[in-house]
Amino acid sequence: DAGVIQSPRHEVTEMGQEVTLRCKPISGHNSLFWYRQTMMRGLELLIYFNNNVPIDDSGMPEDRFSAKMPNASFSTLKIQPSEPRDSAVYFCASFPGGTSQETQYFGPGTRLLVL
Amino acid sequence: ELKVEQNPLFLSMQEGKNYTIYCNYSTTSDRLYWYRQDPGKSLESLFVLLSNGAVKQEGRLMASLDTKARLSTLHITAAVHDLSATYFCAVDTRTWGGSEKLVFGKGTKLTVNP
Repeated sequence: DAGVIQSPRHEVTEMGQEVTLRCKPISGHNSLFWYRQTMMRGLELLIYFNNNVPIDDSGMPEDRFSAKMPNASFSTLKIQPSEPRDSAVYFCASFPGGTSQETQYFGPGTRLLVL
Repeated sequence: ELKVEQNPLFLSMQEGKNYTIYCNYSTTSDRLYWYRQDPGKSLESLFVLLSNGAVKQEGRLMASLDTKARLSTLHITAAVHDLSATYFCAVDTRTWGGSEKLVFGKGTKLTVNP
């Protein structure tokens, strides 16, 4: 399996621009999570989906952030308009579900820099 | 609100020494995870601890879980340079429906010096 796939791996943009981050979870996994990691705030959960349905978006910082999961194999996290304080590494993770001894599997991350 | 505290946050140790990283959490949970993150890389799962008294070992790392004390430990035996990384514990806030929402500690940055 290719693991969780994220694109782009690096993004540099200017303040005010729209940014779209993409994630393809591991096939068969029914939960998908978006995290943000910064030095100051550590690893924060932004939103997660179960069977493509958003379950908890309480971590989304403000209305500039939105996330969608139109099908089981694709999710997007959009920032519009972007601000310098959004600069961070954004991770997507997926989880197979059930009560197995599984864990969340993280993608390689998207390093976002907003100038 | 579930809080997860790790200590120490920074750990510098010599090769060959032993040390323990602690992870305390504030509410009931019986699922805890340890992850490793190398600089500039993603998070890699190390251990999944599913019940009180669970102990898992992999190489020089051993993790345990005491759900009554709400405490997990990650013990490092005879450290080697390759163990230098940041280690995160994460606690499951499993809700109805079985979705796995994790709350992460701030991480322990481990540096192993020759």
